[in-house]
Amino acid sequence: AQSVSQHNHHVILSEAASLELGCNYSYGGTVNLFWYVQYPGQHLQLLLKYFSGDPLVKGIKGFEAEFIKSKFSFNLRKPSVQWSDTAEYFCAVNPTGGKSTFGDGTTLTVKP
Amino acid sequence: DTGVSQNPRHKITKRGQNVTFRCDPISEHNRLYWYRQTLGQGPEFLTYFQNEAQLEKSRLLSDRFSAERPKGSFSTLEIQRTEQGDSAMYLCASSADSYNYGYTFGSGTRLTVV
Repeated sequence: AQSVSQHNHHVILSEAASLELGCNYSYGGTVNLFWYVQYPGQHLQLLLKYFSGDPLVKGIKGFEAEFIKSKFSFNLRKPSVQWSDTAEYFCAVNPTGGKSTFGDGTTLTVKP
Repeated sequence: DTGVSQNPRHKITKRGQNVTFRCDPISEHNRLYWYRQTLGQGPEFLTYFQNEAQLEKSRLLSDRFSAERPKGSFSTLEIQRTEQGDSAMYLCASSADSYNYGYTFGSGTRLTVV
């Protein structure tokens, strides 16, 4: 069965700092990869996705993620975070076309 | 509102009682998923449907849990003889047939078993 590991449980940054959140998955075949975000008091929403092609994908609000197949990783990045990026971020993998498996999330706190 | 709708938003029940939650997906989406989330954890898969067919159910899911999606529209999740360990946020999501579209989530139903 596939699994997803998010190593950083809680990240605290100051505004304008750069962000990188780690995500590693275990699955040997072709995968679709996702990042979801949950802002305080809101529901989970899709931030970006990778399913084929360019391994560097761009999402909403200036976020991007890079798929590195050899490292089984799909790290999320943003060059300069804002206070409004404070949220919980979840990485997910969907290899079979059925269900997605989620990591346990990383809570990002951005200090103004 | 054309998003995924879940009702009720909150449910408090006594241990041993049965509860039922409802999910109305985005109308064009054929796939519907149920997940459970507890504090500090990511969403945990429970079951999913393609149209009215239940295609997969988590092996971790007790037989006290059952889900239906009659006519391939809304779905219900029932928990019988609730236990304190069932306290969690129950999430519903929907997606188009192709799995690379990602999910659209509802706001969830928070269950508290006392």
